[in-house]
Amino acid sequence: KAGVTQTPRYLIKTRGQQVTLSCSPISGHRSVSWYQQTPGQGLQFLFEYFSETQRNKGNFPGRFSGRQFSNSRSEMNVSTLELGDSALYLCASSSPPGQTTYEQYFGPGTRLTVT
Amino acid sequence: KNEVEQSPQNLTAQEGEFITINCSYSVGISALHWLQQHPGGGIVSLFMLSSGKKKHGRLIATINIQEKHSSLHITASHPRDSAVYICAVRSWGNEKLTFGTGTRLTIIP
Repeated sequence: KAGVTQTPRYLIKTRGQQVTLSCSPISGHRSVSWYQQTPGQGLQFLFEYFSETQRNKGNFPGRFSGRQFSNSRSEMNVSTLELGDSALYLCASSSPPGQTTYEQYFGPGTRLTVT
Repeated sequence: KNEVEQSPQNLTAQEGEFITINCSYSVGISALHWLQQHPGGGIVSLFMLSSGKKKHGRLIATINIQEKHSSLHITASHPRDSAVYICAVRSWGNEKLTFGTGTRLTIIP
């Protein structure tokens, strides 16, 4: 089975621009979660999608949004980029819910640099 | 106080040494994950625990639910074990992960 893929792997944007990142989960996985990793804050949960619905959301401003498509692929969007949005953005997919302890499989991440 | 605390933050050891990394948490959880992150960023899930102990090769993870504490042990450590090890917990009724700050492990040949 192919792993979780994320595109693009690297991205450089300017303050004020917007960016869209993509995540393709492992085949059969219906849940996708997004995380932000920065040197100062470490790993933080952004949001989780299951069957095209946002199930959980972390403490991030409304500039951060996401969606999930019927094939379980997910995108996240950051509008009006700020320097502090420079980070590694990771997505993870997991096996169907109904299990309280489902395993998460991480993608390689998208490294976003805002200048 | 963070919901998930890891110790030590940094650990340097000689090849072959027995390694222990600790994780304490303050909330009720449905599961605890141990993750490994190598330079470059990729994260690999090592263990997912809800009780007891799990072993995979030279890695052993234990959890004590009553004490809200978990440990990750590495036996016969090797330079390729050098990485950041991250503990993460999944809260009851809220499936998001909350992460510790990580332990940077360096194994010297």
